[in-house]
Amino acid sequence: AQTVTQSQPEMSVQEAETVTLSCTYDTSESDYYLFWYKQPPSRQMILVIRQEAYKQQNATENRFSVNFQKAAKSFSLKISDSQLGDAAMYFCAYNAGGTYKYIFGTGTRLKVLA
Amino acid sequence: DVKVTQSSRYLVKRTGEKVFLECVQDMDHENMFWYRQDPGLGLRLIYFSYDVKMKEKGDIPEGYSVSREKKERFSLILESASTNQTSMYLCASSLLTGIGYTFGSGTRLTVV
Repeated sequence: AQTVTQSQPEMSVQEAETVTLSCTYDTSESDYYLFWYKQPPSRQMILVIRQEAYKQQNATENRFSVNFQKAAKSFSLKISDSQLGDAAMYFCAYNAGGTYKYIFGTGTRLKVLA
Repeated sequence: DVKVTQSSRYLVKRTGEKVFLECVQDMDHENMFWYRQDPGLGLRLIYFSYDVKMKEKGDIPEGYSVSREKKERFSLILESASTNQTSMYLCASSLLTGIGYTFGSGTRLTVV
C-alpha cells in the first residue's frame, strides 16, 4: 500500500531564515506525482508545489523548492527567506499516475518567529 | 478566480440527525472529492466522483453517502450523525489526475 510519512509534527523558523520540511513515501509505482499543500489558519488548502516523478529536476516556485530523491523516496520542501505569512500546516501528498486518489501525510505545523 | 465553495463553515448537529454538506465548484471539473481531516491523521478520503451520478468509495466511507446530480455540485450525507463524525470536512475538485486539487475552505462539523 502506498503511504506518505511526515515525521515532524511541528517546526519553527526565524523570519528570513530557511527551513526544510521532510516527507517520505512508499510506492511500487514508477509513474506518480508529489505535492506540497499549505493550510493557513483560514483553512483553505493551497497548492504550493508539484513534482512529476519522471522529471529529475527539482521543482521550484519562488521561495519554495523541493529536494526530490526518487531512489530514497524522499520529497522535502525548502522554504527560503521565511515570512510570517508562511506560518501554516503543510501537507505532503502523493498521487499515482492515472488515479484519482491522493494520499496525504499527517502534516507539519510551521511556526515563523519574528 | 476559480472556486470550490462549501456552503457552511461551521455546523453543529445532534446525534442521529441526517446531515448534508454541500460543495459547489465553478471550474467545470469532472472530479470531485470529500476528505475528512483530523489532527494527527491527515486527510482521509471518504468518497469521490469522476462524473455526474458516478461515485466511488474512498478509505473511510462507512456512515457516509454522496450525491452528484449535477456536475458542479457534490454533496456529502451523514445518514445518522454520530459523535465520532465530529471533524473538519474538505471538498476538492480536479480537472485531471496528477495536476492537483482545488480545495474548498472546509466545514467544521460538531456532532453533540
